[in-house]
Amino acid sequence: DGGITQSPKYLFRKEGQNVTLSCEQNLNHDAMYWYRQDPGQGLRLIYYSQIVNDFQKGDIAEGYSVSREKKESFPLTVTSAQKNPTAFYLCASSIAPTGGHSPLHFGNGTRLTVT
Amino acid sequence: DQQVKQNSPSLSVQEGRISILNCDYTNSMFDYFLWYKKYPAEGPTFLISISSIKDKNEDGRFTVFLNKSAKHLSLHIVPSQPGDSAVYFCAASGWTGTASKLTFGTGTRLQVTL
Repeated sequence: DGGITQSPKYLFRKEGQNVTLSCEQNLNHDAMYWYRQDPGQGLRLIYYSQIVNDFQKGDIAEGYSVSREKKESFPLTVTSAQKNPTAFYLCASSIAPTGGHSPLHFGNGTRLTVT
Repeated sequence: DQQVKQNSPSLSVQEGRISILNCDYTNSMFDYFLWYKKYPAEGPTFLISISSIKDKNEDGRFTVFLNKSAKHLSLHIVPSQPGDSAVYFCAASGWTGTASKLTFGTGTRLQVTL
């Protein structure tokens, strides 16, 4: 079955440590995205990549970094510079750069808790 | 600046009745609107979409209506079933100049009661 795999489901880190969230897709999609969900807020775009070796900042990129060395993989690093890293992180992909013509497929998310 | 708003955080509907979820937007350049459904501890799943050139799109029990002059869209679920209980996100697609980008609302939690 094709899909998006995010691991781990739950992640705990101490403040000041960088942490990398994994996202792998076998849908052969060109575009991949990272969103963050906080209670009472919509999904906010962190970074997106329309093609391998290219990525763009989203609305809340500060304190995060990404890489896109392979089509299937789009890891997100939450750095110590991110002021409020505790959140639910969602990875998504689409056949082409998003729009209504190309709905997003989401993974099941990683809940990161930083204490 | 919340460009996509879902003003009702929650909604409770009896099984068999109609559920109506609402969404308002401010950016007249949005060209596509989508609804996603999300269960706890899972990622959202795509439900239905509508182009800005249409005013209605139907898929089984789900219908989305778009009123461009009012910058308002709604999702109708008829009849509502217990399995429809989830959080529903409205999203709008617009071109940023370099890419098309989705903007999400804050979600409405639907509870379908027996």
